Amino acid sequence: SQTIHQWPATLVQPVGSPLSLECTVEGTSNPNLYWYRQAAGRGLQLLFYSVGIGQISSEVPQNLSASRPQDRQFILSSKKLLLSDSGFYLCAWGPGGEQFFGPGTRLTVL
Amino acid sequence: GDSVTQMEGPVTLSEEAFLTINCTYTATGYPSLFWYVQYPGEGLQLLLKATKADDKGSNKGFEATYRKETTSFHLEKGSVQVSDSAVYFCALTPSGTYKYIFGTGTRLKVLA
Repeated sequence: SQTIHQWPATLVQPVGSPLSLECTVEGTSNPNLYWYRQAAGRGLQLLFYSVGIGQISSEVPQNLSASRPQDRQFILSSKKLLLSDSGFYLCAWGPGGEQFFGPGTRLTVL
Repeated sequence: GDSVTQMEGPVTLSEEAFLTINCTYTATGYPSLFWYVQYPGEGLQLLLKATKADDKGSNKGFEATYRKETTSFHLEKGSVQVSDSAVYFCALTPSGTYKYIFGTGTRLKVLA
């Protein structure tokens, strides 16, 4: 069966520090991968999606970036965090129809 | 552009009450429609889906019918339980794309 992992589960970072969140999927190959952010009291915002290694589509301009160095690995990064980057970050994968979500990372930027 | 609009929450109901959470969408073509549920501190789980007009998705007593004429996909349950307390998201995938568009979510609180 397929599983999706995210780490860390929680993170507290100072403004201006770098960020690296990792997501890995097991039990499937060549999945579509997605990064979402859920800000407090708001819905899900699609940040990036990838349909293959090295293929990244960005949905919103921001100081975040994403990379897909391996087929089942998706990384969300930032060189300098902003207060507005705080939120709940969700990784998801999909075979093309429904999506399967990871447990999420709660990021607090102070 | 494509979008999903959900009713504002929170929705507070007594146990065994009837639930409706409204969802309407704007999209070209024939999108697939979904309802996801998020329990506190967790990621999202697929609740049900419908891929074409007049399809009815159902799971765990929840139902939603894909209504193209009204561009709606309202979520219903005949008798809610305390364990149904969660945030519910309506979503669509535009036809021919890999993108998902989510509504803002509706928080449901069921009281014993």
